[in-house]
Amino acid sequence: EVQLVQSGAEVKKPGESLKISCKGSGYSFTSYWIGWVRQMPGKGLEWMGIIYPGDSDTRYSPSFQGQVTISADKSISTAYLQWSSLKASDTAMYYCARGIVVVPAAVEGWFDPWGQGTLVTVSS
Amino acid sequence: QSVLTQPPSVSGAPGQRVTISCTGSSSNIGAGYDVHWYQQLPGTAPKLLIYGNSNRPSGVPDRFSGSKSGTSASLAITGLQAEDEADYYCQSYDSSLSGSNWVFGGGTKLTVL
Repeated sequence: EVQLVQSGAEVKKPGESLKISCKGSGYSFTSYWIGWVRQMPGKGLEWMGIIYPGDSDTRYSPSFQGQVTISADKSISTAYLQWSSLKASDTAMYYCARGIVVVPAAVEGWFDPWGQGTLVTVSS
Repeated sequence: QSVLTQPPSVSGAPGQRVTISCTGSSSNIGAGYDVHWYQQLPGTAPKLLIYGNSNRPSGVPDRFSGSKSGTSASLAITGLQAEDEADYYCQSYDSSLSGSNWVFGGGTKLTVL
Protein backbone atom coordinates (compact mmCIF):
# COMPACT_ATOMS: atom_id res chain seq x y z
CA GLU A 1 0.00 0.00 0.00
CA VAL A 2 1.32 3.42 -0.97
CA GLN A 3 1.39 5.55 2.16
CA LEU A 4 2.68 8.92 3.33
CA VAL A 5 3.00 9.37 7.09
CA GLN A 6 3.61 12.86 8.46
CA SER A 7 5.14 13.95 11.73
CA GLY A 8 2.96 15.03 14.64
CA ALA A 9 1.36 18.33 15.55
CA GLU A 10 3.62 21.19 16.58
CA VAL A 11 3.11 24.23 18.82
CA LYS A 12 5.73 26.92 18.37
CA LYS A 13 6.37 30.55 19.24
CA PRO A 14 6.89 33.31 16.66
CA GLY A 15 10.50 33.47 15.55
CA GLU A 16 11.22 29.80 16.23
CA SER A 17 12.37 27.37 13.56
CA LEU A 18 10.58 24.18 12.57
CA LYS A 19 11.05 21.17 10.29
CA ILE A 20 8.19 18.75 9.64
CA SER A 21 8.50 15.46 7.85
CA CYS A 22 6.70 13.13 5.46
CA LYS A 23 7.80 9.50 5.13
CA GLY A 24 6.83 7.53 2.05
CA SER A 25 6.41 3.77 1.86
CA GLY A 26 5.04 1.15 -0.51
CA TYR A 27 6.57 2.65 -3.65
CA SER A 28 9.85 3.84 -5.16
CA PHE A 29 10.38 7.10 -3.25
CA THR A 30 12.96 8.40 -5.72
CA SER A 31 10.70 7.97 -8.76
CA TYR A 32 7.85 10.31 -7.79
CA TRP A 33 7.57 13.98 -6.83
CA ILE A 34 6.43 14.96 -3.32
CA GLY A 35 4.46 18.16 -2.89
CA TRP A 36 3.44 20.28 0.07
CA VAL A 37 0.05 21.95 0.46
CA ARG A 38 -1.09 24.48 3.08
CA GLN A 39 -4.61 24.74 4.45
CA MET A 40 -5.19 27.64 6.78
CA PRO A 41 -8.03 27.32 9.32
CA GLY A 42 -11.35 27.23 7.51
CA LYS A 43 -9.73 27.96 4.14
CA GLY A 44 -8.86 26.18 0.92
CA LEU A 45 -5.81 24.35 -0.39
CA GLU A 46 -2.67 26.21 -1.45
CA TRP A 47 0.19 24.61 -3.40
CA MET A 48 3.51 25.46 -1.75
CA GLY A 49 6.04 23.55 -3.79
CA ILE A 50 7.28 20.18 -4.95
CA ILE A 51 10.49 18.14 -4.88
CA TYR A 52 11.80 15.17 -6.84
CA PRO A 53 13.73 13.09 -4.29
CA GLY A 54 15.67 11.32 -7.04
CA ASP A 55 17.74 14.42 -7.81
CA SER A 56 16.35 17.03 -5.33
CA ASP A 57 14.93 19.17 -8.16
CA THR A 58 12.65 21.58 -6.28
CA ARG A 59 10.00 24.03 -7.50
CA TYR A 60 8.30 26.63 -5.31
CA SER A 61 5.10 28.58 -5.62
CA PRO A 62 5.97 32.29 -5.93
CA SER A 63 3.83 32.83 -2.84
CA PHE A 64 6.08 30.61 -0.74
CA GLN A 65 9.49 31.10 -2.38
CA GLY A 66 11.91 32.33 0.28
CA GLN A 67 9.42 31.65 3.08
CA VAL A 68 9.98 27.90 3.41
CA THR A 69 12.51 25.27 2.37
CA ILE A 70 11.57 21.92 0.89
CA SER A 71 14.09 19.09 1.03
CA ALA A 72 14.29 15.31 0.95
CA ASP A 73 16.50 12.52 2.25
CA LYS A 74 16.13 9.64 -0.17
CA SER A 75 18.12 7.29 2.07
CA ILE A 76 15.20 7.27 4.53
CA SER A 77 12.37 8.02 2.03
CA THR A 78 11.47 11.24 3.80
CA ALA A 79 10.62 14.72 2.60
CA TYR A 80 10.73 17.84 4.73
CA LEU A 81 9.20 21.29 4.99
CA GLN A 82 11.02 23.80 7.14
CA TRP A 83 10.79 27.35 8.40
CA SER A 84 13.66 29.41 9.82
CA SER A 85 11.49 31.95 11.60
CA LEU A 86 7.81 31.18 12.11
CA LYS A 87 5.05 33.76 12.11
CA ALA A 88 1.57 33.56 13.57
CA SER A 89 0.26 33.54 10.01
CA ASP A 90 2.01 30.18 9.45
CA THR A 91 -0.62 28.55 11.66
CA ALA A 92 -2.23 25.94 9.40
CA MET A 93 -2.54 22.29 8.49
CA TYR A 94 0.22 21.17 6.16
CA TYR A 95 -0.20 18.19 3.88
CA CYS A 96 2.36 16.31 1.85
CA ALA A 97 1.23 14.34 -1.17
CA ARG A 98 2.81 12.18 -3.85
CA GLY A 99 2.88 13.93 -7.20
CA ILE A 100 1.96 11.88 -10.26
CA VAL A 101 3.67 13.71 -13.13
CA VAL A 102 2.75 12.70 -16.67
CA VAL A 103 4.51 15.57 -18.44
CA PRO A 104 8.02 15.61 -16.92
CA ALA A 105 9.15 18.65 -18.90
CA ALA A 106 6.40 20.73 -17.34
CA VAL A 107 6.13 18.94 -13.98
CA GLU A 108 2.39 18.82 -14.55
CA GLY A 109 0.28 16.30 -12.70
CA TRP A 110 -1.86 15.48 -9.71
CA PHE A 111 -1.54 14.36 -6.08
CA ASP A 112 -2.21 10.83 -4.89
CA PRO A 113 -2.13 9.81 -2.10
CA TRP A 114 -1.99 12.45 0.60
CA GLY A 115 -0.47 12.32 4.05
CA GLN A 116 -2.68 12.69 7.09
CA GLY A 117 -1.55 16.30 7.68
CA THR A 118 0.57 18.07 10.29
CA LEU A 119 -1.07 20.84 12.30
CA VAL A 120 1.31 23.71 13.02
CA THR A 121 0.23 26.28 15.59
CA VAL A 122 2.31 29.42 16.06
CA SER A 123 1.35 31.49 19.08
CA SER A 124 3.08 33.58 21.69
CA GLN B 1 -8.16 34.92 -4.69
CA SER B 2 -7.64 31.56 -6.39
CA VAL B 3 -6.41 31.16 -9.96
CA LEU B 4 -9.23 28.64 -10.54
CA THR B 5 -12.74 29.80 -9.63
CA GLN B 6 -15.29 27.50 -8.01
CA PRO B 7 -18.71 28.31 -6.52
CA PRO B 8 -18.38 28.51 -2.72
CA SER B 9 -21.29 26.16 -2.17
CA VAL B 10 -23.76 23.85 -3.89
CA SER B 11 -26.52 21.71 -2.47
CA GLY B 12 -28.85 18.93 -3.48
CA ALA B 13 -31.28 16.40 -2.11
CA PRO B 14 -30.41 12.72 -1.82
CA GLY B 15 -30.66 11.01 -5.20
CA GLN B 16 -30.30 14.24 -7.16
CA ARG B 17 -27.52 15.31 -9.52
CA VAL B 18 -25.24 18.26 -8.80
CA THR B 19 -22.41 19.82 -10.74
CA ILE B 20 -19.46 21.88 -9.54
CA SER B 21 -17.73 24.18 -11.99
CA CYS B 22 -14.08 25.16 -12.14
CA THR B 23 -13.26 28.17 -14.29
CA GLY B 24 -9.72 29.00 -15.33
CA SER B 25 -7.98 30.98 -18.06
CA SER B 26 -5.67 30.75 -21.05
CA SER B 27 -2.65 30.10 -18.84
CA ASN B 28 -4.07 26.98 -17.20
CA ILE B 29 -7.16 25.02 -18.27
CA GLY B 30 -7.47 26.95 -21.54
CA ALA B 31 -3.84 26.15 -22.37
CA GLY B 32 -4.75 22.46 -22.47
CA TYR B 33 -3.58 21.45 -19.02
CA ASP B 34 -5.55 18.70 -17.32
CA VAL B 35 -7.93 19.23 -14.41
CA HIS B 36 -8.04 16.99 -11.35
CA TRP B 37 -10.57 16.87 -8.53
CA TYR B 38 -10.25 16.10 -4.82
CA GLN B 39 -12.78 15.36 -2.11
CA GLN B 40 -12.10 16.48 1.45
CA LEU B 41 -14.44 14.98 4.01
CA PRO B 42 -14.75 16.93 7.28
CA GLY B 43 -11.62 16.65 9.40
CA THR B 44 -9.71 14.51 6.92
CA ALA B 45 -7.02 14.88 4.28
CA PRO B 46 -8.02 15.45 0.66
CA LYS B 47 -8.49 12.39 -1.53
CA LEU B 48 -8.10 12.13 -5.31
CA LEU B 49 -11.49 11.83 -6.98
CA ILE B 50 -10.86 12.48 -10.70
CA TYR B 51 -7.56 12.77 -12.59
CA GLY B 52 -6.81 13.77 -16.15
CA ASN B 53 -10.16 15.57 -16.54
CA SER B 54 -12.37 12.48 -16.51
CA ASN B 55 -10.57 9.44 -15.10
CA ARG B 56 -11.63 7.79 -11.84
CA PRO B 57 -9.04 6.12 -9.60
CA SER B 58 -9.83 2.60 -8.49
CA GLY B 59 -12.45 2.61 -5.75
CA VAL B 60 -14.16 5.88 -6.71
CA PRO B 61 -17.84 5.23 -7.52
CA ASP B 62 -19.00 5.89 -11.07
CA ARG B 63 -21.50 8.39 -9.60
CA PHE B 64 -18.60 10.84 -9.87
CA SER B 65 -17.60 12.08 -13.31
CA GLY B 66 -15.49 14.90 -14.71
CA SER B 67 -15.38 16.86 -17.93
CA LYS B 68 -13.46 19.75 -19.42
CA SER B 69 -14.22 22.24 -22.18
CA GLY B 70 -12.35 25.39 -23.14
CA THR B 71 -11.26 27.26 -20.03
CA SER B 72 -13.57 25.36 -17.66
CA ALA B 73 -14.11 21.96 -16.12
CA SER B 74 -16.95 20.36 -14.21
CA LEU B 75 -17.45 17.66 -11.62
CA ALA B 76 -20.81 15.90 -11.67
CA ILE B 77 -22.20 13.80 -8.87
CA THR B 78 -25.28 11.71 -9.57
CA GLY B 79 -27.42 9.79 -7.10
CA LEU B 80 -26.37 12.15 -4.30
CA GLN B 81 -25.76 10.45 -0.95
CA ALA B 82 -25.36 11.87 2.54
CA GLU B 83 -21.75 10.64 2.60
CA ASP B 84 -20.93 12.93 -0.35
CA GLU B 85 -21.20 15.97 1.91
CA ALA B 86 -17.68 17.39 1.73
CA ASP B 87 -15.48 20.08 0.24
CA TYR B 88 -14.43 19.60 -3.38
CA TYR B 89 -11.38 21.15 -5.02
CA CYS B 90 -10.24 21.33 -8.61
CA GLN B 91 -6.53 21.50 -9.46
CA SER B 92 -4.59 22.20 -12.62
CA TYR B 93 -1.26 23.54 -13.83
CA ASP B 94 -0.64 27.19 -14.54
CA SER B 95 2.14 28.59 -16.68
CA SER B 96 2.29 32.36 -16.46
CA LEU B 97 4.78 35.16 -16.12
CA SER B 98 5.09 34.52 -12.38
CA GLY B 99 6.27 30.97 -13.01
CA SER B 100 4.83 27.53 -13.30
CA ASN B 101 2.64 26.26 -10.55
CA TRP B 102 0.17 23.65 -9.55
CA VAL B 103 -2.97 25.62 -8.72
CA PHE B 104 -6.15 24.84 -6.79
CA GLY B 105 -9.64 26.22 -6.96
CA GLY B 106 -11.01 27.89 -3.86
CA GLY B 107 -13.12 24.86 -3.02
CA THR B 108 -16.85 24.13 -3.06
CA LYS B 109 -18.81 22.95 -0.05
CA LEU B 110 -21.43 20.38 -1.01
CA THR B 111 -24.40 20.16 1.32
CA VAL B 112 -26.75 17.20 1.03
CA LEU B 113 -30.17 18.45 2.09
